This record gives sequence, structure tokens and C-alpha cells, in this order.
Amino acid sequence: EAQVTQNPRYLITVTGKKLTVTCSQNMNHEYMSWYRQDPGLGLRQIYYSMNVEVTDKGDVPEGYKVSRKEKRNFPLILESPSPNQTSLYFCASSPPDHSPLHFGNGTRLTVT
Amino acid sequence: AQKITQTQPGMFVQEKEAVTLDCTYDTSDPSYGLFWYKQPSSGEMIFLIYQGSYDQQNATEGRYSLNFQKARKSANLVISASQLGDSAMYFCAMRDWGLTGGGNKLTFGTGTQLKVEL
Repeated sequence: EAQVTQNPRYLITVTGKKLTVTCSQNMNHEYMSWYRQDPGLGLRQIYYSMNVEVTDKGDVPEGYKVSRKEKRNFPLILESPSPNQTSLYFCASSPPDHSPLHFGNGTRLTVT
Repeated sequence: AQKITQTQPGMFVQEKEAVTLDCTYDTSDPSYGLFWYKQPSSGEMIFLIYQGSYDQQNATEGRYSLNFQKARKSANLVISASQLGDSAMYFCAMRDWGLTGGGNKLTFGTGTQLKVEL
């Protein structure tokens, strides 16, 4: 089954404790990206990658890191999480054409 | 810069009735795509329908249709014969095909919460 898999689905952590949210897709898509969803703001792009070893900042990159060492994986790293990073996070992938984005099921992160 | 506006934070509709969810957009790129996604309470993002800026016909997918009015920069979603399972948050989104980068970035509106009632 074609899918984008994120883990974990839920994560509660404390300020400053490094964490990684994993994302993997099995559709051989070139493009992968991370979004965060906050009430009243819709979804906003954090980082994106157009291919292996090619990553760039989206609209809200502060406090996040990413890497793309393999085509299928695109982890999101929070080196020192803060409460304002409490949000619902989505990983998405697509081919480089007019196709819709395929989203993972989301990771609900709470930073206390 | 791209912008998507959804002016209806919440909508109610009776089961089996049709409902229109509004979406207006702004872009300076003549080539773009408009998407609608559904987000049920479980949280996942489900793609519903796509309209390209050069498409001559309005897009339709089953009970979903997109009322695309290019001159007015609107891309309203019409759901016919509403069902209880249509209760969800609905997002309008846009991607332009110009040289703005973003890796196929979608710009999202703030969403409309639809509640279908018996």
C-alpha cells in the first residue's frame, strides 16, 4: 500500500530534550516536506527536500532541523524543543509534478 | 505572495443537503493548482479534489465538485447529498508552478469546520 508513515503518533516531552520524528514513504517520491498545523493558522511548511541531500527552509524553520540521506526517509529533528513547538506535525511527499501531496497520519507533539 | 482565504470558520448542513465551502486565493503566477483536503477528527489529511488554473472544466470527484471562477479568484468546494461522515475540517490549498521553490509547497487556508446534522 502506498503510504507515508510517521512515528510516533503522539509525543509528550519536556523543554530542551532533543527529539526526532521519523517519516518514511514507499512511493519513490522526490519531494518530501514537513508541515505544522496550529488552530486558526492552517498548515505551514517547516522544511522541504527536493531530493536526496537537498533540503531547504520553508516558512517556519526556526527550531527545527531535517536531513535527507535516503530518498524514502525525511526525519524532523527538534534539538531543543520549546512549548511554542507544541503542535500537530505532518510529513508529506509527492512526485515533481501536479500530483497532490500524500500526507502521513500526523504526530501530535506536546512540549511542557 | 500566495494567500488562501477561507472566511467560514464553521458551517452546519442538514443530511442529504448540498453545501458550499468558500475559498478565495491570490497569486501573481498564471499557472497554479488548487486543492481541497478533508481532515476528520482522527486527524489525517485526505485529498479530495484538484483544479488546475488552465483546466477548462470544473473538477468533479463523486459527490465533490469545485466551482472554479478564475476571474474572481475563487475555488469553492461543493459537497452534494451531505452525509454524517462528511463532518470534518476542510482545507483549501494552492500550489503555484512558478519559480517560487518550496518543493511543491502547498499554501493552506485556515479551514472550515463542517458539521452535518440529522
